[in-house]
Amino acid sequence: SQQGEEDPQALSIQEGENATMNCSYKTSINNLQWYRQNSGRGLVHLILIRSNEREKHSGRLRVTLDTSKKSSSLLITASRAADTASYFCATGGGATNKLIFGTGTLLAVQP
Amino acid sequence: EPEVTQTPSHQVTQMGQEVILRCVPISNHLYFYWYRQILGQKVEFLVSFYNNEISEKSEIFDDQFSVERPDGSNFTLKIRSTKLEDSAMYFCASSPLAGGGEETQYFGPGTRLLVL
Repeated sequence: SQQGEEDPQALSIQEGENATMNCSYKTSINNLQWYRQNSGRGLVHLILIRSNEREKHSGRLRVTLDTSKKSSSLLITASRAADTASYFCATGGGATNKLIFGTGTLLAVQP
Repeated sequence: EPEVTQTPSHQVTQMGQEVILRCVPISNHLYFYWYRQILGQKVEFLVSFYNNEISEKSEIFDDQFSVERPDGSNFTLKIRSTKLEDSAMYFCASSPLAGGGEETQYFGPGTRLLVL
């Protein structure tokens, strides 16, 4: 698989349900960041987790990182229709922390 | 809340023409980046810029591309002679630092470039 691959590619859930998206990567990282992108729009930063952290919370978001498996997951609890968007993981590494993005998960939350 | 801004939001140009995409990073940030996203594809890293010089660039960032911070606030990406395959959304990003807890990258809204 390529650096920063996410699954599922698409996810459709009902409002109020939880949504889980997974990300796998190949190389060593300094951090992993999750972004949201509404159709054709900019990237909104959601949360950053560092390589020495295992779990982080921010509001309805919970991110986990397993560096031994080179994987991360993003959980959105109690989803809302406004959460409908594409979600990308991006691994940060190197001296300049350039980001390598995943393929993204398209989340659709049905009202 | 401070944010990264980009102009123009859309740009249409003819193949072979030069384009300059402009970005104003967040004012106290030190690291600046350009990324691009071809329609339906991944976001790809182009170049990072720190201390008035390129610190890292990808294979995509060939001699047709250049970046500049002309006046201490703007950060520009120039494509000297555009090709059809340069059509994409171009994102500028900035971060306070590249590590040490200050590495979050904040993205601008993007410039959609269409080369005809």
